[in-house]
Amino acid sequence: KQEVTQIPAALSVPEGENLVLNCSFTDSAIYNLQWFRQDPGKGLTSLLLIQSSQREQTSGRLNASLDKSSGRSTLYIAASQPGDSATYLCAVAFRDNYGQNFVFGPGTRLSVLP
Amino acid sequence: DTEVTQTPKHLVMGMTNKKSLKCEQHMGHRAMYWYKQKAKKPPELMFVYSYEKLSINESVPSRFSPECPNSSLLNLHLHALQPEDSALYLCASSQLELATLYNEQFFGPGTRLTVL
Repeated sequence: KQEVTQIPAALSVPEGENLVLNCSFTDSAIYNLQWFRQDPGKGLTSLLLIQSSQREQTSGRLNASLDKSSGRSTLYIAASQPGDSATYLCAVAFRDNYGQNFVFGPGTRLSVLP
Repeated sequence: DTEVTQTPKHLVMGMTNKKSLKCEQHMGHRAMYWYKQKAKKPPELMFVYSYEKLSINESVPSRFSPECPNSSLLNLHLHALQPEDSALYLCASSQLELATLYNEQFFGPGTRLTVL
């Protein structure tokens, strides 16, 4: 059964720091991995999607990497800002015995302090 | 229009009520999704529609009844809910260039449901 975990569960950093969020998954046979951010009580905003054949994707200050064989992805945020404060979730798309599936990790709650 | 909209934003209902949640997108996406998110937990997939047909039902109780009247609209009909069904209900949509769940998903703001 595919399980997705994220470390750390919460992170607090001063403004301007670079930081790394981690996502791990137990079954490496994924189709893609997507990173989202969620502000409290709000919907999800798609940040980056990495196909299983790709190693990384970049968008502005965000860089996501994927190491499928080891079951890991990282989200790197450069020069963090208070506006980056949110919960960051990763999710994997895969196929199991029941068909297609899409499973989220529990999220990392990020606070960037001014 | 690059948004997924959901109405209402908040809904309070009793266990004997019948209500509906509505989701709309005008991005030309042909897949639409319902997720349930309990407090401090990640979203969990409930239903997926592809080309207006139900393609995935994650063993959701029948008190939740989805409907996709057209390619832009997705409803979730609610009847005889329980207090433990209180949650944030999220709608998402995606293109269908690949097998359904393999496409990038775009989410709406959600409906906060409270069942008394």
